[in-house]
Amino acid sequence: AQSVTQPDIHITVSEGASLELRCNYSYGATPYLFWYVQSPGQGLQLLLKYFSGDTLVQGIKGFEAEFKRSQSSFNLRKPSVHWSDAAEYFCAVGANDYKLSFGAGTTVTVRA
Amino acid sequence: NAGVTQTPKFQVLKTGQSMTLQCAQDMNHNSMYWYRQDPGMGLRLIYYSASEGTTDKGEVPNGYNVSRLNKREFSLRLESAAPSQTSVYFCASRRVQDSQPQHFGDGTRLSIL
Repeated sequence: AQSVTQPDIHITVSEGASLELRCNYSYGATPYLFWYVQSPGQGLQLLLKYFSGDTLVQGIKGFEAEFKRSQSSFNLRKPSVHWSDAAEYFCAVGANDYKLSFGAGTTVTVRA
Repeated sequence: NAGVTQTPKFQVLKTGQSMTLQCAQDMNHNSMYWYRQDPGMGLRLIYYSASEGTTDKGEVPNGYNVSRLNKREFSLRLESAAPSQTSVYFCASRRVQDSQPQHFGDGTRLSIL
């Protein structure tokens, strides 16, 4: 069975500082990995995805994530956070048929 | 704008009432999904439809039924609502080709008293 763990429930970061959100997954084969962002009252928006190839993936809004098979991780990073990045972030893993399993989410607060 | 449209956006029900949540997509996607989102638990898959005419159970199907009415529409029905079904429900769709990701609607916030 596939599963995702996001160890950090809540992270507070200063505007302009770097951000890293952790994601660990459990899956028996090569995973399809995703990061989604959810602003309050909104649906989920895809930030980036990994299927195969280069393990460093670039996404929208200046985010990137690195797939590390040896550590079963897919951590999300942004070099310099903006106030508009305050949101909830979800990591997800999917099988070939795209039944996604989501982590519990990490809420990011950005302080001025 | 193209995308996934969910109706209603908000609903309050009494225990035992029935309700159908509607979802429509205009992106000509093959697959459609229903999730529920609860605090601290992320999104959990209720049902999905890989293509028109097919539906399958996800992780938490009990208490729900679905209908893939046509390629565009995928509805979720609560026959006898229970307080444990208070949640935010999200519909998503996906084009199967080209390994495309799921696109999500804005959600339906459902409270059952």
